[in-house]
Amino acid sequence: GQNIDQPTEMTATEGAIVQINCTYQTSGFNGLFWYQQHAGEAPTFLSYNVLDGLEEKGRFSSFLSRSKGYSYLLLKELQMKDSASYLCAVTSNDYKLSFGAGTTVTVRA
Amino acid sequence: IAGITQAPTSQILAAGRRMTLRCTQDMRHNAMYWYRQDLGLGLRLIHYSNTAGTTGKGEVPDGYSVSRANTDDFPLTLASAVPSQTSVYFCASSDSAGGAGEQFFGPGTRLTVL
Repeated sequence: GQNIDQPTEMTATEGAIVQINCTYQTSGFNGLFWYQQHAGEAPTFLSYNVLDGLEEKGRFSSFLSRSKGYSYLLLKELQMKDSASYLCAVTSNDYKLSFGAGTTVTVRA
Repeated sequence: IAGITQAPTSQILAAGRRMTLRCTQDMRHNAMYWYRQDLGLGLRLIHYSNTAGTTGKGEVPDGYSVSRANTDDFPLTLASAVPSQTSVYFCASSDSAGGAGEQFFGPGTRLTVL
């Protein structure tokens, strides 16, 4: 099975940078996803990492270290609309996606 | 293009009643999934289907059943609802079987069992 840990809540100021960490323990690893979920809405895909390193996509970047069982999602130039929950999810050898409990990010003016 | 739809949007159900949550996708994705989301626990996989005609159990399958008669539809049935099944249910689909690809989520069904 998987054990996925991420902080429960984070608060940051508009225009700032926030880094959301995710650590995982899994019996096998086949990829890590980050999803964004606004309150009352469905999750939407942000990023996918399967190899070590940094994947950049506009204001959002995701990093993976397989040897450390560690990932982070970096949100730059924060905007009010970035207030949401961010879900870390891992695919393991049984090819099922397991989610962390999510990190609620609040962006303040 | 609708993507993935779920019905109903919300439902209040008496304990012991049977309920089917509907999920339909028009993206011709092979894989489909049912999750429940509870506060503090995140999304948990109930059942999945890698292709039409096949289904598998996820992390929390007890009390739920699914079928996959065709590519587009993946209904979730609660045979005899209990209050612990109060949750928000999300259906998802992916063009990659086995959890490897991006999953597209439906808008969710909020179910309350009294």
